[in-house]
Amino acid sequence: GDSVTQTEGQVALSEEDFLTIHCNYSASGYPALFWYVQYPGEGPQFLFRASRDKEKGSSRGFEATYDKGTTSFHLRKASVQESDSAVYYCACHDTNAYKVIFGKGTHLHVLP
Amino acid sequence: NAGVIQTPRHKVTGKGQEATLWCEPISGHSAVFWYRQTIVQGLEFLTYFRNQAPIDDSGMPKERFSAQMPNQSHSTLKIQSTQPQDSAVYLCASSLVGTGGYEQYFGPGTRLTVL
Repeated sequence: GDSVTQTEGQVALSEEDFLTIHCNYSASGYPALFWYVQYPGEGPQFLFRASRDKEKGSSRGFEATYDKGTTSFHLRKASVQESDSAVYYCACHDTNAYKVIFGKGTHLHVLP
Repeated sequence: NAGVIQTPRHKVTGKGQEATLWCEPISGHSAVFWYRQTIVQGLEFLTYFRNQAPIDDSGMPKERFSAQMPNQSHSTLKIQSTQPQDSAVYLCASSLVGTGGYEQYFGPGTRLTVL
């Protein structure tokens, strides 16, 4: 079945550092890809999506580019802030069904 | 727009008791999803309704879990004979478009603790 792999379980950075969280998917065709962010005590919030090769999604300074060749959708931000500390989830829409498959999540800790 | 509403926010049950969790989706959204979140397994899909009809329940444990959507304004997830391994945060999400390929709006979740 479809799957999503996030390489980093935890990432610790200082403010103004560059962020990369790696996401690779396994699915046929052109699944929609997503990034969500979750703060403590809340449900995940949609960041952005992309649905075709080379499409870039972006929001709040975060961005990711759909790469079908490497089956990747890595999250990047040029300069993180302490308020970006949260759990980030990469997700993939299973085009053969209706459900969305989430990665295990990456805890981002940004130190002041 | 109050967002997706889930009640209760916290529920504690004894082993073997029943738990019913409620979800009110955003008005006008045609799709409702239920997920279970644990530290070990992460976010797991449970079931999905579109226009109140059950479409995909492939993630539901078959024997003790059931979900319904009797009207467009609420959905329920019922767990019979709760077990300690059912302890988790149960999340409900709704989407304007009736497939999984579009933005989902999540509620704050119900934290279920089974003693």
